Amino acid sequence: DQQVKQNSPSLSVQEGRISILNCDYTNSMFDYFLWYKKYPAEGPTFLISISSIKDKNEDGRFTVFLNKSAKHLSLHIVPSQPGDSAVYFCAASVEGGSQGNLIFGKGTKLSVKP
Amino acid sequence: EAGVVQSPRYKIIEKKQPVAFWCNPISGHNTLYWYRQNLGQGPELLIRYENEEAVDDSQLPKDRFSAERLKGVDSTLKIQPAELGDSAVYLCASSSSGWGTQYFGPGTRLLVL
Repeated sequence: DQQVKQNSPSLSVQEGRISILNCDYTNSMFDYFLWYKKYPAEGPTFLISISSIKDKNEDGRFTVFLNKSAKHLSLHIVPSQPGDSAVYFCAASVEGGSQGNLIFGKGTKLSVKP
Repeated sequence: EAGVVQSPRYKIIEKKQPVAFWCNPISGHNTLYWYRQNLGQGPELLIRYENEEAVDDSQLPKDRFSAERLKGVDSTLKIQPAELGDSAVYLCASSSSGWGTQYFGPGTRLLVL
């Protein structure tokens, strides 16, 4: 049973518009969430993270929102650029001790069209 | 600062042959992870090291997979013998502690024929 779900395999957005990538999780013990971006033939690159004590974290064009009651998080990219075209993975973990292992979703492929 | 280094980048072998992957983590990172990523899936943890100690190898198929991290720095992941289903990308990651942000290498793409 998947603990981290990205239900949209792909998303297409026009350059300059907002991209919204969604992620749902089932394990209420998760308290740390990350987004990674992956280009073809490269490893995942860390993008942004959020702890469960927050509901929003912003870094430049990237903002992650966390709704703990709904067990849902989303990544907003504003404005979207063609270079943002990549596969985006949502990941979750339980902080501390030996529980720091990341559980990944299957990814969402974002295409930003010029 | 150099990132996580992995080699080789690509490997093609016939089934039943052995294969090994090497990883050099970011300097100073005590925690090292090996993940396997199948096509269309997210990475899945195989093994996690804290320094030299394997603290979580519950997902490592121990009948054919082995790993080591001598001196708590570089690590090697081995498959012997390889099976067709082992075709995947093998990713190494490191972090400064046992939780938080993990930084990934470029991966080794394995094809078993």
